[in-house]
Amino acid sequence: QKEVEQDPGPLSVPEGAIVSLNCTYSNSAFQYFMWYRQYSRKGPELLMYTYSSGNKEDGRFTAQVDKSSKYISLFIRDSQPSDSATYLCAMRGNQFYFGTGTSLTVIP
Amino acid sequence: NAGVTQTPKFQVLKTGQSMTLQCAQDMNHNSMYWYRQDPGMGLRLIYYSASEGTTDKGEVPNGYNVSRLNKREFSLRLESAAPSQTSVYFCASSETSPPLNEQFFGPGTRLTVL
Repeated sequence: QKEVEQDPGPLSVPEGAIVSLNCTYSNSAFQYFMWYRQYSRKGPELLMYTYSSGNKEDGRFTAQVDKSSKYISLFIRDSQPSDSATYLCAMRGNQFYFGTGTSLTVIP
Repeated sequence: NAGVTQTPKFQVLKTGQSMTLQCAQDMNHNSMYWYRQDPGMGLRLIYYSASEGTTDKGEVPNGYNVSRLNKREFSLRLESAAPSQTSVYFCASSETSPPLNEQFFGPGTRLTVL
């Protein structure tokens, strides 16, 4: 079983839609949960991180962690064409573990 | 402040050839990492260096060697390239101390092995 599972998509939504991206994980020892955004032909960049369970909001982005279900989510409100990218979840154990990434396209 | 830089950006090798991918960071980070990214596989850790003078294997180290030349530089060497090593390679760096070791990634090296 992989440490982190992420639906690869692709996901295509109209501009202004609410987007939900999700990951599940198997290791209950993970404490730090991150979302990276990767534009085409670029390296990943950190978008948000959350420590332990709970929600964190940053502008149009909200990250949620449910440790009891080993499930994390990233919500994007009022999605914009500039949000079109691949989103990778990541978790910190003794090293970093990444999901496979979900490709998102926001159509104007 | 360039962050993490990688050279070359693109490379085509023939099976059996060797090459070294270079990575440098100017953020004074202690830890550095090499990943490969393949479709459907996500980012997989090849090797990492928690601090200058130390290196450790990651998830997929076979066929690779690394050198932590100094605090700034971390190189990845393919001694005898194989088609299975065709991938995009990313170098990253981070601080080691808690609470969060945010990783900063370079732009990647796109390697094709024929």
